[in-house]
Order: sequence, then C-alpha cells, then structure tokens
Amino acid sequence: QVQLVQSGTEVKKPGASVKVSCKASGYTFSNYVISWVRQAPGQGLEWMGWINPYNEKATYAQKFQGRVTMTTDTSTSTAYMEVRSLGTDDTAVYYCAKNAVAAHFENWGQGTLVTVSS
Amino acid sequence: DIQLTQSPSSLSASVGDRVTITCRASQSISSYLNWYQQKPGEAPKLLIYAASSLQRGVPSRFSGSGSGTDFTLTISSLQPEDFATYYCQQSYSAPCFGQGTKLEIK
Repeated sequence: QVQLVQSGTEVKKPGASVKVSCKASGYTFSNYVISWVRQAPGQGLEWMGWINPYNEKATYAQKFQGRVTMTTDTSTSTAYMEVRSLGTDDTAVYYCAKNAVAAHFENWGQGTLVTVSS
Repeated sequence: DIQLTQSPSSLSASVGDRVTITCRASQSISSYLNWYQQKPGEAPKLLIYAASSLQRGVPSRFSGSGSGTDFTLTISSLQPEDFATYYCQQSYSAPCFGQGTKLEIK
C-alpha cells in the first residue's frame, strides 16, 4: 500500500531554514508528482507547490517562489522541501501528498510540525 | 487566481441527518473539484475527486455533484465518525482549497 513517511518535528529560530523529508513506498516514485501543503495552527490548507520526480521540475505557488525549494532523490524515493528565511508565521504542519494524474491529492504523509520561535 | 468559497463555515447536525456542504468557485473549473475530510491531529483524507467520483474505500453515504462553479458534498446519513472538517480543492489550475466547513455534533 502507498505510504508517505515524513521527518520529525522541527523547532527553528526566525531567519533559519528547515528541510522536511517525505519517504514514499508502495508505488513507482518517479511516476507521480509530489505536492507540499501546509496548515497553520487552527487554519485551513495551503498548497505550496509540487515537483515531478521524473524530471525534477518544480512549480511553486507564487507566495513561496524564491523562498522554497523542492527536490527529490529517486534512488531513495524521497522528496524534500526546504523553506528559508523562516518567520513566526511559517509555524505550521507541513504535509507531502502524492498527486493522482488529475491532480487531486490521493495519499498524504502524516505531517511535520515546524515551530518558528525566538 | 481561482478562489473557492465554502458554505456554511460551520454546521451542527445529529447522527442520521442528511448534510450538504457547498463550494463555489470564482470562475468555471469544469469538474476539477475534490473533497477532503480532516479530523483533529490527522492528515486530510480524499473523499471525492472530479466532482462526483468516490475514492476507493470511502463509504457510499458520501457523494459529490456539480460542475462549472457550484459544487456540493452530501452525506446521506451522518455517522459518529463523520464529525470533522471538510475542504474542497480545485485542480483546474494551481491548486487551492476552500476555507473549510467544520461539522459538529448537535
């Protein structure tokens, strides 16, 4: 069965960077896009961007362009997302999700809590 | 950018009730509309994709309809495990989500 297992909780200071990983199993990793979605405490879901592991082409939501980098490692079936210049408003749970062909989010990781605090 | 507006933002209902949640898009998105359920402390779960297709393993009491700009998610007979927050999401262009509808026990 499809599984997406994310890295653990992170605590960062404002201005720092964080890199979250998402290890996939149960399907051919390079065949499906991986999206990243975040959720601030008590808030809704926000799509950050996606990456195609086949060609490593990433597309970012305008809000995150220049501050977020998504990468993949097909040898380990792992996706990564790095966020730079963290602010307190980046405190959120970050999810990876496997896109179906029609771009709905079919499977989700368990989420990684990133807390930004001085 | 496409905006999605859900209504209501919150809803109180009883076990056995029929419940409908609406999602309106700011422009036509054909049938590129998906629905998710999220329980506290959990990741979202896909319920309906392409407006009306039931995701494998999701109970048949969940159904979706609509096209263009107006969409609905219906739960035909609420079960205790259905009390959660529901989100719509469009996949016509750069993905975005509605603000969510919190379904609470009356």
